[in-house]
Amino acid sequence: KAGVTQTPRYLIKTRGQQVTLSCSPISGHRSVSWYQQTPGQGLQFLFEYFSETQRNKGNFPGRFSGRQFSNSRSEMNVSTLELGDSALYLCASSNWGLGTEAFFGQGTRLTVV
Amino acid sequence: GIQVEQSPPDLILQEGANSTLRCNFSDSVNNLQWFHQNPWGQLINLFYIPSGTKQNGRLSATTVATERYSLLYISSSQTTDSGVYFCAVPSGNTPLVFGKGTRLSVIA
Repeated sequence: KAGVTQTPRYLIKTRGQQVTLSCSPISGHRSVSWYQQTPGQGLQFLFEYFSETQRNKGNFPGRFSGRQFSNSRSEMNVSTLELGDSALYLCASSNWGLGTEAFFGQGTRLTVV
Repeated sequence: GIQVEQSPPDLILQEGANSTLRCNFSDSVNNLQWFHQNPWGQLINLFYIPSGTKQNGRLSATTVATERYSLLYISSSQTTDSGVYFCAVPSGNTPLVFGKGTRLSVIA
């Protein structure tokens, strides 16, 4: 079956702009989690959505938000972009979230200039 | 929250050599995953291994949950094994907490 699909793969944005990233999970999976990867901080958890509800949230400012649709596809949005938001954003798909095996997409590499 | 420590941070091997990567975690866990991050950034699932031993080709993993560590064994390494290896565990409300990874370079 198809894996986790993230779009776009690459993005270049200017400081102050906003950006929306998309993640389509594996068919039948209801949990989508988002992670930010930077050289300095490593892989950090942003938030998790399950059945269209945000179930868990990491320690990121309110500029980072997300949502999940009825087909389990998820989007994350970053408003008022800062240079420090440049990162690889990865989404993970799993059956039930916490405690179940997670599968990752190819990631979206965001560069803020 | 839980601390996840991986060692060594960097490893350089000659093709054909064997290696052991270690993951220590500071609290009890009910599952653990190993991933390989390829040069394009994607995290590839290697093992979902809450406890015990699993093998997949040249790779195997062992988790000793009672002692809070997991080991990833790579035998007869190949240049395609190069990349960063991560272990990750759930903690509280966080689905996965990652270690900082082990960067493996396999030289022909």
